[in-house]
Amino acid sequence: NAGVTQTPKFQVLKTGQSMTLQCAQDMNHNSMYWYRQDPGMGLRLIYYSASEGTTDKGEVPNGYNVSRLNKREFSLRLESAAPSQTSVYFCASTSYTDTQYFGPGTRLTVL
Amino acid sequence: GESVGLHLPTLSVQEGDNSIINCAYSNSASDYFIWYKQESGKGPQFIIDIRSNMDKRQGQRVTVLLNKTVKHLSLQIAATQPGDSAVYFCAENLNTGGFKTIFGAGTRLFVKA
Repeated sequence: NAGVTQTPKFQVLKTGQSMTLQCAQDMNHNSMYWYRQDPGMGLRLIYYSASEGTTDKGEVPNGYNVSRLNKREFSLRLESAAPSQTSVYFCASTSYTDTQYFGPGTRLTVL
Repeated sequence: GESVGLHLPTLSVQEGDNSIINCAYSNSASDYFIWYKQESGKGPQFIIDIRSNMDKRQGQRVTVLLNKTVKHLSLQIAATQPGDSAVYFCAENLNTGGFKTIFGAGTRLFVKA
């Protein structure tokens, strides 16, 4: 039982490049989330998926797209990366108790 | 506005002492509260939770207290150890439908040997 896994762990992009962050969970959770965390700040929700086949915007969705590929996988895509998107990205999934289980994070730098 | 915040951004304690991390919330619709621990370079990890129908809940070396009258939440860590050094987040679940978890900015706990 690996919990929530994310790939890649680190990424450096140039402005305008695109990339997809991958997330998978093996806990049979219905809900999955993408957050960003900037230095000294809390977690800000980008997008979430309450169940397979649905996605909704969170607090800071601009510049991102998501895909809930199946119950296990939830990907985050940056179509045209900008320096303002330099951050640490966390994926999470939620149990029936609403406790969120987080992945180890992806550290993204956009030059 | 509705928010979850922390009184102290940084807390420094001596090893072996008890630590108290505070959190204020302003949303009366919240029915579930969670404390997370985030170590450097890692994702947040669940520590303990409490429902709004409770005032206190104890775990292993940790206790969460909920005071609904003043909308205050605290995390108490007994006999603080160097391994407790981390950032601690409180989170608030709103019972309003849709996505409903709000995270505070976090308190960094330093444990001095």
